[in-house]
Amino acid sequence: SQQGEEDPQALSIQEGENATMNCSYKTSINNLQWYRQNSGRGLVHLILIRSNEREKHSGRLRVTLDTSKKSSSLLITASRAADTASYFCATPQGGSEKLVFGKGTKLTVNP
Amino acid sequence: DAGITQSPRHKVTETGTPVTLRCHQTENHRYMYWYRQDPGHGLRLIHYSYGVKDTDKGEVSDGYSVSRSKTEDFLLTLESATSSQTSVYFCAIKGSVLDNSPLHFGNGTRLTVT
Repeated sequence: SQQGEEDPQALSIQEGENATMNCSYKTSINNLQWYRQNSGRGLVHLILIRSNEREKHSGRLRVTLDTSKKSSSLLITASRAADTASYFCATPQGGSEKLVFGKGTKLTVNP
Repeated sequence: DAGITQSPRHKVTETGTPVTLRCHQTENHRYMYWYRQDPGHGLRLIHYSYGVKDTDKGEVSDGYSVSRSKTEDFLLTLESATSSQTSVYFCAIKGSVLDNSPLHFGNGTRLTVT
């Protein structure tokens, strides 16, 4: 069963604006990961946040994790047209060898 | 693409025919996965492997079988393809059982069952 659920399903913004995507999950986790998928390609790992971390940064990406609410957010600052992609959150299920993905948020950044 | 090759990249087949998709890696990673991606469902795990000849089921394994006779190859077989198996199939690899080890994905195989 799906562990993470992203919100919104789709997001359209102008270049230079910030984009925020949210992920909710159901069970306790050790970490939460965000992936990006460009059209017609495989997913690419962006960032991982551990359950004992509240916030993590990587370039223009900022990820937060609230374990009490079982939710995470991905913020992309100063977005660019090249950020247009689908973004997925993923969490380990059962043993850490299995990763379960949400349905994704489709981000469109208009030039 | 982390040394992952999926073949074929596209395939059209008829209902009832067997189909085998191949995932080949050059990273010598222990873990390999097959996911399918469908609109409205995101990615769902079909099967995975944690070593040669060691495989386990994911959440949507019905109608699929897998084999891993070598570290570098992970095969996904549809014994008798159905239209509901029309999808994009992704292979992924993971180098470590550590939970902070990310997945690396291939570029997918688009399968159409007519």
